[in-house]
Parts: sequence; C-alpha cells; structure tokens
Amino acid sequence: RKEVEQDPGPFNVPEGATVAFNCTYSNSASQSFFWYRQDCRKEPKLLMSVYSSGNEDGRFTAQLNRASQYISLLIRDSKLSDSATYLCVVDNQAGTALIFGKGTTLSVSS
Amino acid sequence: GAGVSQSPRYKVAKRGQDVALRCDPISGHVSLFWYQQALGQGPEFLTYFQNEAQLDKSGLPSDRFFAERPEGSVSTLKIQRTQQEDSAVYLCASSLAGLAGQETQYFGPGTRLLVL
Repeated sequence: RKEVEQDPGPFNVPEGATVAFNCTYSNSASQSFFWYRQDCRKEPKLLMSVYSSGNEDGRFTAQLNRASQYISLLIRDSKLSDSATYLCVVDNQAGTALIFGKGTTLSVSS
Repeated sequence: GAGVSQSPRYKVAKRGQDVALRCDPISGHVSLFWYQQALGQGPEFLTYFQNEAQLDKSGLPSDRFFAERPEGSVSTLKIQRTQQEDSAVYLCASSLAGLAGQETQYFGPGTRLLVL
C-alpha cells in the first residue's frame, strides 16, 4: 500500500463547478499535511497547509481527519487557471522528507 | 529574490554514463532535499541535508546514487553508470530551517534526465 493515496482522476469540470479531492495516508505519526499544485512540466508549489481545524484560502478549503487519516481539498467556483495536478503531501515519521501522493489532475473547461 | 536553481535543465545520457546534477538553494536556507519524479508519478524523496550534514539518505535507490553538500549551500546529486530506469525529473527543494514539514519547501525547476 502506498503511503499517500489519492483519487486517480482526471477530473474534467466546467468553469464554476465545485470539485473535491480526497486523500488517505498510512503513517499515523505524520505531523504535517499539505496540498501542493503542479502545473504541467513545472515544479510543485505549495497551495496550502492542512490543519485539523480545517482551513480556507479564498475558493480553497482543506480538511484533515487524523482519526481516519484522511485529507480533502475543496475548490469552489473553478477557474480555467485551476487546471493543474494537485498533490496530497504528508511528512514522514522522522520529519526528514515530504511524502507525495501520485497526484490528481484537474482540467477546467469553458 | 532568486529561487532555487538547478542545472542542467535537461540531460541526455547514454546508458552507463555518469551524470552530475547541481542544485543552488535559496541563499540562507539550511535544509535541502532531493526528489525524483517519474512520469505520471508524484515526487519521491531521495535525500535530505541540514547544512552540510546528510541526515537522511534512505530514499536513494541504489549505491549508484550519491549526494553531497560540502559547504552547506550548493548540492550535487551524482548518478553513476546510469540506467534507463533512472530517467526522471530530479527536483531539488530548500527550506529556511527545520524538518520537512516545519517550513515551506521551495522547489527548483528540476533537471530532466533521459537515459538512452
């Protein structure tokens, strides 16, 4: 079993749609949780950190359920510019590395 | 300010050739990480430096892979006797201090390695 598993995707949605990505992680000792965004042939960039209390950044909402080892990302009112691959990320037990999921590709069309 | 830079951006190597990939982290960043990203996959951890100390090299796939950061700034990832399965994007990331999840990791553009 991979340490971080994500919805396989791809997600193809029209502009304005709401889309949700789900992720599970296997290491209960992980302490830090993130969503990264990666555009085609570009490097990953931090989208947002994820906290147990849930956090929101504009149209983006992230949730963490430690008991279920489950992380989610909700994107409201999708824009064309949201088209990218979204990577679910946790830290390893030693805190020396980030562990990435395979990523879920989102394509927003007009 | 300048971000993380990597060179070369593209490298084509013949099977069996040695390659060296360079990473210039953001100035003042203590932590440096190397990741390997195969096509269609997420990045996979290779190794972690705190200043010049290599604190975790558990992700290096074989003894053909070697990384160093002798003066605590620039880092080099060396792959000896390259094989076709080494073809991937090699990403370098740096963070201001601390462990992997404590500070934002800033990624470089990567080096695309193709082994023929």
